Amino acid sequence: GAGVSQSPRYKVAKRGQDVALRCDPISGHVSLFWYQQALGQGPEFLTYFQNEAQLDKSGLPSDRFFAERPEGSVSTLKIQRTQQEDSAVYLCASSLGPSSGGPGAQYFGPGTRLLVL
Amino acid sequence: DAKTTQPPSMDCAEGRAANLPCNHSTISGNEYVYWYRQIHSQGPQYIIHGLKNNETNEMASLIITEDRKSSTLILPHATLRDTAVYYCIVRVGGGYQKVTFGTGTKLQVIP
Repeated sequence: GAGVSQSPRYKVAKRGQDVALRCDPISGHVSLFWYQQALGQGPEFLTYFQNEAQLDKSGLPSDRFFAERPEGSVSTLKIQRTQQEDSAVYLCASSLGPSSGGPGAQYFGPGTRLLVL
Repeated sequence: DAKTTQPPSMDCAEGRAANLPCNHSTISGNEYVYWYRQIHSQGPQYIIHGLKNNETNEMASLIITEDRKSSTLILPHATLRDTAVYYCIVRVGGGYQKVTFGTGTKLQVIP
């Protein structure tokens, strides 16, 4: 079956521009995660959704970052007034969810590489 | 989350076994050990997980010490395509827990 997909794969933005990054999780996956990965570093947690509810947004670096998942499937990460330090790869992951009783493995998309000039 | 410690880099000859260590001395009784890898320019890929017994799947084997304070991921016959960053993570098996990846081990498989 289809895995997690993300679009666009690459995005170049001018400083101050707003961007929107899309994530299509695996069908039926309840949990959805966003991560930010700087060059040479491991992924850093941004936010977590269980269905449409955003249960943890403790990793969002500032109020310029906003995420939503209005119908419990597709999610969008929006960054307002982008800054150069926002340049990174943004990864989305999904998993079956906390009630599945399963291993809780997260399945990642290929990421969106954002470059802010 | 329990913290994990991994060597920053390792080399392995192609065709030989790659043994990647991970220390997790503060692991809790209900926390599993998960391994992911990230090949260049791709998202992380789930490999294997375990609680206290050794586990094997088509990708790798996971050996967890009896006191659960450390583990080893084994790739039995490393290929060039196994060159990647390998992350060891501990977290509860079900439910929600924020995952911390750390910087992992960069495995270079050498021809």
